[in-house]
Amino acid sequence: DIQMTQSPPSLSASLGDKVTITCQASQNINKYIAWYQQKPGKAPRLLIRYTSTLESGTPSRFSGSGSGRDYSFSISNVESEDIASYYCLQYVNLPYTFGAGTKLELK
Amino acid sequence: QIQLVQSGPELKKPGESLKISCKASGYTFTDYAMQWVKQAPGKGLQYMGWINTQTGKPTYADDFKERFVFSLETSASTAYLQINNLKNEDTATYFCARELGRSDYWGQGVMVTVSS
Repeated sequence: DIQMTQSPPSLSASLGDKVTITCQASQNINKYIAWYQQKPGKAPRLLIRYTSTLESGTPSRFSGSGSGRDYSFSISNVESEDIASYYCLQYVNLPYTFGAGTKLELK
Repeated sequence: QIQLVQSGPELKKPGESLKISCKASGYTFTDYAMQWVKQAPGKGLQYMGWINTQTGKPTYADDFKERFVFSLETSASTAYLQINNLKNEDTATYFCARELGRSDYWGQGVMVTVSS
């Protein structure tokens, strides 16, 4: 199974900051990585698929990049509505696997 | 519109069984596999596996090969997750989802509490 190592586990940011989360796969995942946002008590929301494709409705301050085993997800100009947990997901091979998550908090 | 609607919260005792439903609407049920995700309280998302809605064949992630059963009632566009011999560590919210990574359709989640 492919392991996804996500870091950092938590982030503290001020409004307007840029933050970056990384995920490293245990093998090449050919850009089949998605990024999800989850707020308490809610189902996850898909923000980005296939490394960098923004889902409809995802603000442009969210972005993704990477290739091979190494991927990153960024939020520029953090807004209060961005306070949530974020997860990467590899979906190149079954079983799919999530990263452990990153909790974004306000400083 | 496409919806996945799950059954309600469950409170069970260790050793009991339960069956959660996920009713799909707004699309042809057999066109897409159904996937299941577990989230323990305060923890991250854990991929449980998927079921082929055309053949009914389930595939389980390693941690879910025992006690967990995916099934279908195709005529009702409904997928089921059954958990047998419940343990305290099964306390979690369970989500059904369509096309993880490729589209964004999730059930609302079912909170399962296992407690004596």
